[in-house]
Amino acid sequence: EVQLLESGGGLVQPGGSLRLSCAASESTFSSYAMNWVRQGPGKGLEWVSGIVISGGSTNYADSVKGRFTISRDNAKNTLYLQMTSLRAEDTAVYYCVGSNDAFDIWGQGTMVTVSS
Amino acid sequence: YELTQPPSVSVSPGQTASITCSGDKLGDKYVCWYQQKPGQSPILVIYQDTKRPLGIPERFSGSNSGNTATLTISGTQAMDEADYYCQAWDSSRVFGGGTKLTVL
Repeated sequence: EVQLLESGGGLVQPGGSLRLSCAASESTFSSYAMNWVRQGPGKGLEWVSGIVISGGSTNYADSVKGRFTISRDNAKNTLYLQMTSLRAEDTAVYYCVGSNDAFDIWGQGTMVTVSS
Repeated sequence: YELTQPPSVSVSPGQTASITCSGDKLGDKYVCWYQQKPGQSPILVIYQDTKRPLGIPERFSGSNSGNTATLTISGTQAMDEADYYCQAWDSSRVFGGGTKLTVL
């Protein structure tokens, strides 16, 4: 089964930018739609963004629309999330998630902290 | 679109736990359920209302009708203590607020 490993999290100031990456362990990555899901400290799950297998269609939660951009490189088995104009409320663990009929495969998450 | 779950549910070991998820005409959508233990990533336990992924014990089952979906855990074990989230499988991909299941 494909495994997902996120990276790129860290501490960033409000208004700053960060790029998250998610590397898949095998080429079956290209058979999954992919998503980012986040979880604020002590809070529930929030879907952030999704991208279809080909990369030709993306969608976003209203809370991040216009600030975050999802993309994928199937040749590199890698998913990305470019985050700009970051706010304190974006502080969360960000999970990379592969989906077919559900959110089938989850990474271990990477922490993003937005603070001055 | 919003999904509503009870914040907490308690059950005795060996008994049946039921966790509900409510939303407008939820029965018209597929529902998924995820289990998350402290410090771990969520895992899928039910998809398409009633289906169990490989490796998920038979004691986990799901139903969905009208405005309510239900996750049922029969013969609940201590290892089932976790947070459970429902999700409507539509374009919104929205999650419920989560239910903390306590086995005591």
